[in-house]
This record gives sequence, C-alpha cells and structure tokens, in this order.
Amino acid sequence: DTAVSQTPKYLVTQMGNDKSIKCEQNLGHDTMYWYKQDSKKFLKIMFSYNNKELIINETVPNRFSPKSPDKAHLNLHINSLELGDSAVYFCASSQGIRASGGTEQFFGPGTRLTVL
Amino acid sequence: GDSVTQMEGPVTLSEEAFLTINCTYTATGYPSLFWYVQYPGEGLQLLLKATKADDKGSNKGFEATYRKETTSFHLEKGSVQVSDSAVYFCALSDRGDYKLSFGAGTTVTVRA
Repeated sequence: DTAVSQTPKYLVTQMGNDKSIKCEQNLGHDTMYWYKQDSKKFLKIMFSYNNKELIINETVPNRFSPKSPDKAHLNLHINSLELGDSAVYFCASSQGIRASGGTEQFFGPGTRLTVL
Repeated sequence: GDSVTQMEGPVTLSEEAFLTINCTYTATGYPSLFWYVQYPGEGLQLLLKATKADDKGSNKGFEATYRKETTSFHLEKGSVQVSDSAVYFCALSDRGDYKLSFGAGTTVTVRA
C-alpha cells in the first residue's frame, strides 16, 4: 500500500558516474517533486512536475535532469556525479493546489546517495 | 521570498516533559502552514497543518496554532514519549505556489 515509493533506497557510486533514481506514486496526484536533504537535514526543492510538465526548476546544476513519463512517475537522472551530490533525495507528490490554499505533500522514504 | 525560521536544536528531553518548538515565517501571501516529522531512517510525514489564521492543527498529542499577528506556528506537546524522538520541520506553502519552503529542522531526542 505504499503511497510514494523510491528506488533504490541506497546508492553508492564513484565520482564521474551517471545514476538514476526512480519515484512512483499511487495516490492519483498530479504533481510530483524532488527534494535534496543535506547532511545537516536541510531540505531544498529541486524540481516539480505538474501533469508531466516542469513547473519548478530551482538553481540546480544541469547535470541533474528530471523526467516524468506519466503523472505517476518522476525519475531523476544525475550525470557526472560529484562528491557534493552525496545527500538524501526525497520524492514527493501532491494534488495540485487546494482551493483553501497551499499544498499538502506526501513523501517517499528517500534515497541515500553516497558518492566516493 | 517565503521563508521559515525554526528553533535550532538539538533538543533533549525526559519522557513526559513539555515540548515547544518555535517556528516563525515570512510570506508574501496567505500561506498554509505545516509541521512534518521525520523519524530516524524514514521519509517525512505530515504531522499537522493549518490553512488560515487562528486555525489549530492537532495530531498525536501535538498542537500548533496559526498566529498571523506574530507570524508564528509553534509546535507543542504536553507530555513527550521516547517514540517522539525525530526531526521536526516547520514548512509553508503560499497560496497558488506549488512548493513547500522548509525550516532547518529541529532534532528532538526524548530519554526514558
């Protein structure tokens, strides 16, 4: 009954490699997000897709490329990995913007990426 | 732009102690306010929320009241348990905005 799932849970790789993280949600939501959590637990949004369209693209190196094949999936591909990319990456989803204001987001369990 | 300032941790308490985590915000519009909790090794879970001034969110014994006059959304629990040990994040989402802006997180450890 997992609402938002991510694979893999752990990813250890060498500098310079290319890797992907996958995210799927079964909540029927139309908006999905990628967040990065650094070693101090600080969370920052990276990207957001609404109905497969990119709507948020924060200041993120272009080595990071999100792809949304459909509303239920949002993948993150990272080229030429660097040491500073080591973090926990969280996927989240929400159902658009509520009439009452604001969005309530549901998070996946996270992918811990370690770049050696 | 929107921002959230949260009380810095870590916070260490004994079981049954009173917990307060301060949170203040800056927003251009009329934000919704949230508290998320992250248990060790897990993703974030919504703990409670409030969508307009004077609303009180509550869940699992935690409460927070949306105070527009002081731009605050402080989290409180009257009697904490060891199972409440986690990182707590205050967040806001402005009306018409898709993204959540998070505070820095407060690590809470409850000792038996």
